[in-house]
Amino acid sequence: KAGVTQTPRYLIKTRGQQVTLSCSPISGHRSVSWYQQTPGQGLQFLFEYFSETQRNKGNFPGRFSGRQFSNSRSEMNVSTLELGDSALYLCASSSTSGTASYEQYFGPGTRLTVT
Amino acid sequence: TQLLEQSPQFLSIQEGENLTVYCNSSSVFSSLQWYRQEPGEGPVLLVTVVTGGEVKKLKRLTFQFGDARKDSSLHITAAQPGDTGLYLCAGARSSASKIIFGSGTRLSIRP
Repeated sequence: KAGVTQTPRYLIKTRGQQVTLSCSPISGHRSVSWYQQTPGQGLQFLFEYFSETQRNKGNFPGRFSGRQFSNSRSEMNVSTLELGDSALYLCASSSTSGTASYEQYFGPGTRLTVT
Repeated sequence: TQLLEQSPQFLSIQEGENLTVYCNSSSVFSSLQWYRQEPGEGPVLLVTVVTGGEVKKLKRLTFQFGDARKDSSLHITAAQPGDTGLYLCAGARSSASKIIFGSGTRLSIRP
């Protein structure tokens, strides 16, 4: 079974621009979560999508948004980029049955640098 | 606010030594996971524990879930350089609630 894929792997943007990141979950996984990871703040939860609906949301400003498509693929968008948005953005998918629903399978991440 | 606190934050030991990493919370979790992350990659799931008092072994790694399901520990026996990485614990209160990650323990094993 193919793992979680994320595109692009690396991205350099200028302050004020917007960016869209893409994530394809493991086949059969309907839950997709997004995380921001920085050296200072660790792994911070952005949001989770399940069956095209946002099920959980972290404490991030409205500049961060996401969506999920009918094939479970997900995108996240960050508008009006700030220098502090530079981070590794990780996508994770999970099954929805029993204890497996707690287990996150991560992609390799997208390294975003804002200059 | 649910928090998972990990200790220590950093650990550097000699190859062959034993170590224990802790993950503590004041909240009860339905299950708790441990992940290892290497530089430039996403975290990789190591284990899931769901029952209070449960102990799971993965080769030289031993994971334990506290009796009250509020804490967990990871013990590594005879550490090897390949064990180097960032160890993260994570928990959720239910299958529909968001998963909380600990701040991580960065482990370095010196040859």
